[in-house]
Amino acid sequence: DAGVIQSPRHEVTEMGQEVTLRCKPISGHNSLFWYRQTMMRGLELLIYFNNNVPIDDSGMPEDRFSAKMPNASFSTLKIQPSEPRDSAVYFCASTLGVLVQPQHFGDGTRLSIL
Amino acid sequence: EDKVVQSPLSLVVHEGDTVTLNCSYEVTNFRSLLWYKQEKKAPTFLFMLTSSGIEKKSGRLSSILDKKELFSILNITATQTGDSAIYLCAVTNFGNEKLTFGTGTRLTIIP
Repeated sequence: DAGVIQSPRHEVTEMGQEVTLRCKPISGHNSLFWYRQTMMRGLELLIYFNNNVPIDDSGMPEDRFSAKMPNASFSTLKIQPSEPRDSAVYFCASTLGVLVQPQHFGDGTRLSIL
Repeated sequence: EDKVVQSPLSLVVHEGDTVTLNCSYEVTNFRSLLWYKQEKKAPTFLFMLTSSGIEKKSGRLSSILDKKELFSILNITATQTGDSAIYLCAVTNFGNEKLTFGTGTRLTIIP
């Protein structure tokens, strides 16, 4: 079975550039989560969707961050403009949200903003 | 705000030893506690616990939840070098589906 697929695996870009991270959840899963992981703060939830609708975006750091889920099989997390402090590993996870089910994580995007 | 505290922060043991990792939590309207193992990439799911006192077991790994004292432990017996990883504890509540993670325990197994 294909797991959660994220792209790109690595992204290195200069400060001020727009960054778009992509996620394809596991087929049939109806909840999707974006996390950010840093050494200082660990894994933090940024936003999550249920049935393509954003439910909780309280973890989104500021207006420079936005996320969309145009359909059940695709989501993007965009940072514009990017800053060095955005450097982190960004994970996407999905789950079948109807029952108590664990979240399954993608391999992450390692983002470096120079 | 939900809170998860893991201890120890890091642990180094010899192959064959038994280790116990701790996770305590403060959650409004607790639903479940989950353990994940993270090596180089994605956290991989180990256990989900919802009821007190019922041990979940998978090979050399086992976990149990105490909802009265608000903690869980993860035991690994006869450790192997492949057990070296960061072990993450997370909780959910009935208000939403999001996971609140602890900072993890970094476990290193020396051959």
